[in-house]
Amino acid sequence: DQQVKQNSPSLSVQEGRISILNCDYTNSMFDYFLWYKKYPAEGPTFLISISSIKDKNEDGRFTVFLNKSAKHLSLHIVPSQPGDSAVYFCAATSSNTGNQFYFGTGTSLTVIP
Amino acid sequence: DTAVSQTPKYLVTQMGNDKSIKCEQNLGHDTMYWYKQDSKKFLKIMFSYNNKELIINETVPNRFSPKSPDKAHLNLHINSLELGDSAVYFCASSQRGYNSPLHFGNGTRLTVT
Repeated sequence: DQQVKQNSPSLSVQEGRISILNCDYTNSMFDYFLWYKKYPAEGPTFLISISSIKDKNEDGRFTVFLNKSAKHLSLHIVPSQPGDSAVYFCAATSSNTGNQFYFGTGTSLTVIP
Repeated sequence: DTAVSQTPKYLVTQMGNDKSIKCEQNLGHDTMYWYKQDSKKFLKIMFSYNNKELIINETVPNRFSPKSPDKAHLNLHINSLELGDSAVYFCASSQRGYNSPLHFGNGTRLTVT
């Protein structure tokens, strides 16, 4: 049973525009959410996170929004750059699952120059 | 100065063979993990060790046996390999604490023929 879902397998965006990647979760106990970025033949690298006590966290061009009532989070990248082309994974965990993270299946972002 | 390194990067073997994948981290983290990414790109945890002690052991065939000789190393041994074991296996590490991001290795692509 997949508790974290990314329903868009791919997304194409023009350079300089905003990229919005979406993630939904089913477990209301999740209280910490992360985004990872993955290039081909490499492991995922941590990008940004958000705790459930917040609804927004910003780091440079990357902002994560959390809507707890909708069990939805999104990653905004502004402005998008060709180097942002990668697969983005959403992940979630909770304080009562120890160090267990649940991942979505990823969204492949292509930023067109 | 790779943070999490795993070897080999590629592993091609025949059904029925036994193989091992090694993982080492130099980040000083207490917790290490093995994740499996299947053909559907789903990243799923297999095992987690905290300071050499097994803390997460998901439903994985007992042909898979993790071994942690010290907190910087977590190896994965697989007996009697099957076609369905073909996947990318990622090692990861993190600080103790459920909201500490994972740091991944670059993965081992296992192909069983």
